[in-house]
Amino acid sequence: DAGVIQSPRHEVTEMGQEVTLRCKPISGHNSLFWYRQTMMRGLELLIYFNNNVPIDDSGMPEDRFSAKMPNASFSTLKIQPSEPRDSAVYFCASSSRDTGWNSPLHFGNGTRLTVT
Amino acid sequence: GDSVTQMEGPVTLSEEAFLTINCTYTATGYPSLFWYVQYPGEGLQLLLKATKADDKGSNKGFEATYRKETTSFHLEKGSVQVSDSAVYFCALSDRNTGNQFYFGTGTSLTVIP
Repeated sequence: DAGVIQSPRHEVTEMGQEVTLRCKPISGHNSLFWYRQTMMRGLELLIYFNNNVPIDDSGMPEDRFSAKMPNASFSTLKIQPSEPRDSAVYFCASSSRDTGWNSPLHFGNGTRLTVT
Repeated sequence: GDSVTQMEGPVTLSEEAFLTINCTYTATGYPSLFWYVQYPGEGLQLLLKATKADDKGSNKGFEATYRKETTSFHLEKGSVQVSDSAVYFCALSDRNTGNQFYFGTGTSLTVIP
């Protein structure tokens, strides 16, 4: 089990640039979550998918943020244009609803985004 | 709506001290409860879980008991080690909310030799 794989691990970009974060969930998992973590706001849910369909995107801060899940093994989170206040660690997590609603989340190691 | 409240940190303990991190929850249904641990530079890792009332989750010397009457899931360890220094998150998953997870704000623990 390779776990949830996120790339890149670190991203430094200038304000106004487009940023794309990538996630490969654990094979067989059909729920995928994107979180953002900062010192000020802690862990925030941005969006989650079940069976590749977005279920709740109410946590997406602005239209600058978008997320896609074109298939069961890949998801992207895009920020365009990026702003310094987007600097944070972004986590992807997956879970398997098929094994029960109480199956835990499995997190990737995150992408640390710095926007200058 | 559903929510999780955990004790404010940071917590600093000496090695071999007893640890308690309080967690209480509010849920519309009958949730599963989890403790996650985050080491520096890493993602959250599942530490333990409990899925019904009076269940006790345990792992690596940590324990937590699902108390429905007090809506609590406090994390305990009898003797902490320096390697336990991390941030601990309490969380719940409620089938009534479509498998969404709710996390507490996290409690930072530092164990000093």
